[in-house]
Amino acid sequence: NAGVTQTPKFQVLKTGQSMTLQCAQDMNHEYMSWYRQDPGMGLRLIHYSVGAGITDQGEVPNGYNVSRSTTEDFPLRLELAAPSQTSVYFCASSQRRLANYGYTFGSGTRLTVV
Amino acid sequence: EDQVTQSPEALRLQEGESSSLNCSYTVSGLRGLFWYRQDPGKGPEFLFTLYSAGEEKEKERLKATLTKKESFLHITAPKPEDSATYLCAVQVSKAAGNKLTFGGGTRVLVKP
Repeated sequence: NAGVTQTPKFQVLKTGQSMTLQCAQDMNHEYMSWYRQDPGMGLRLIHYSVGAGITDQGEVPNGYNVSRSTTEDFPLRLELAAPSQTSVYFCASSQRRLANYGYTFGSGTRLTVV
Repeated sequence: EDQVTQSPEALRLQEGESSSLNCSYTVSGLRGLFWYRQDPGKGPEFLFTLYSAGEEKEKERLKATLTKKESFLHITAPKPEDSATYLCAVQVSKAAGNKLTFGGGTRVLVKP
């Protein structure tokens, strides 16, 4: 079982560049989310999806877009990268009911925007 | 606004020195409180879910408890391998999509 796979692990972008952070899960989980983690601020929700074709905004969605064409994949797109988007990004997936298993997180993408 | 506050921010322990981490929360309605462990350079790893005041859960040297306003993670006789950041998160009753609100975490260092 691979669980939740994120690529790339590290990325450096120049201001104004675009890129897509990839996330794939092989557990047939309905729910998927993107969080960013910044020092002293904890994990903050960017976007989430409750199933293929359904996405919604989280706490900090500005500057990010998502799509969910399949159950397995949930890519995060940065259209015009800004230094404020320097962070560690985590993708997570879960069953419909969090219950006793919580979220399964990927290992993260460390993004630096210069 | 839903808020989760963890204290202390950092904790240095000697091996075998038991201690507790605090997670206090202010939410409109609690559906569940989650504890995660995060090692450097890795994603959070699920530990426990607590649902109602008075509930307790244990895993090895860790024990989580829940009251109406806060949760504690007790570490009994810790070992160096317990060194990690411990994250607390809440799921509120009206939140869609299994959204979690996280606290800032407590960094625990256990010295041999």
